[in-house]
Amino acid sequence: ETGVTQTPRHLVMGMTNKKSLKCEQHLGHNAMYWYKQSAKKPLELMFVYNFKEQTENNSVPSRFSPECPNSSHLFLHLHTLQPEDSALYLCASSQGSDRTHGYTFGSGTRLTVV
Amino acid sequence: AQKVTQAQTEISVVEKEDVTLDCVYETRDTTYYLFWYKQPPSGELVFLIRRNSFDEQNEISGRYSWNFQKSTSSFNFTITASQVVDSAVYFCALSEAGRGYALNFGKGTSLLVTP
Repeated sequence: ETGVTQTPRHLVMGMTNKKSLKCEQHLGHNAMYWYKQSAKKPLELMFVYNFKEQTENNSVPSRFSPECPNSSHLFLHLHTLQPEDSALYLCASSQGSDRTHGYTFGSGTRLTVV
Repeated sequence: AQKVTQAQTEISVVEKEDVTLDCVYETRDTTYYLFWYKQPPSGELVFLIRRNSFDEQNEISGRYSWNFQKSTSSFNFTITASQVVDSAVYFCALSEAGRGYALNFGKGTSLLVTP
């Protein structure tokens, strides 16, 4: 039990599909993050939420749409993705905006776009 | 420019060997933090250690040790007497005060420990 749970673990979707990734944390943290991990590339920070408010969007294409209904849940809505979007999507949380203590990560969703 | 460089892409050792994973970082901030994370095949990133820029003391935790050297901007990680369960991808990361402490990761080093 890592404290950060991501579902589904694996997802295969067509380029015209709409799907959502879910992240839930049970740690009482109030900052949550989406990271993308592609092969041979560093982890890329996509979005940051502090107290349910989006505070960072690192030039992510609009086909990725995050949603944070409360401090414990984070979604990533996907639509009209491209094959190059295939990657491991990791959710993380931290205590408030104090990132100096690092993040707690989930196990990720392995996304394949066909 | 890459802020965190892990020059070793893959390392393979035989069980019980010692292995050092290199990490070189780049920052102009005087306040920053360095991290190591482990990513086993299951996928989740597991926090190993955090170091702040004002504390250059080396740290040892069981078979793991870390060598922080500001003079060379390095934060190397040594596993002593490696075990098969140490096989994973290891990431070094930097968070800087000037960037709101967002975590910047290196590309990772894949460690394979064989029996």
